[in-house]
Amino acid sequence: GQQLNQSPQSMFIQEGEDVSMNCTSSSIFNTWLWYKQDPGEGPVLLIALYKAGELTSNGRLTAQFGITRKDSFLNISASIPSDVGIYFCAGQLVGSGNTGKLIFGQGTTLQVKP
Amino acid sequence: ETGVTQSPTHLIKTRGQQVTLRCSSQSGHNTVSWYQQALGQGPQFIFQYYREEENGRGNFPPRFSGLQFPNYSSELNVNALELDDSALYLCASTFLSGSVNEQFFGPGTRLTVL
Repeated sequence: GQQLNQSPQSMFIQEGEDVSMNCTSSSIFNTWLWYKQDPGEGPVLLIALYKAGELTSNGRLTAQFGITRKDSFLNISASIPSDVGIYFCAGQLVGSGNTGKLIFGQGTTLQVKP
Repeated sequence: ETGVTQSPTHLIKTRGQQVTLRCSSQSGHNTVSWYQQALGQGPQFIFQYYREEENGRGNFPPRFSGLQFPNYSSELNVNALELDDSALYLCASTFLSGSVNEQFFGPGTRLTVL
């Protein structure tokens, strides 16, 4: 099935470091979302982006909706052990007859060393 | 807590059997989507139900079917189970509107087909 290209696939960092991950697509989306998934749980929404060029923060998380509408990045500043998990980007088309189905990336697995 | 619940948590079936998975959406949400997440992959869109009618389907065969009920509950049915159907099945509920369609996921049902 269709998926976005998300990188890196995995990261192993020291507590306190900043983290950056990104997502690219061959298709245009009008919404980009970032989710975090812990083992045995469903994805939890972190940030939603609705306009090309939009930069949005949620605590230590910052995400941007690319100008071309085909990419997005997520930054985590000053990482802490509870940031461990799998991060997914998802593109979405909403409005005008679209279902709003989410197209997901393959995920970035983040490990944080205390 | 997203307010979306799923049952059962885990399920083991054998090839050829049929299975029904259940989801209870957030109160007031008129739309439920189902996703299949294979190990190490991002979720893949199966289909969406809006006001009890199918409103879009991903690349899944007809043996995957669903129902949505007026009381915010829904079902995913899979007939003639195959080994490749082993996955985490996620439901996500939302209030479908013109411009915003944030989807809230349940914890998932882990299906193993032997």
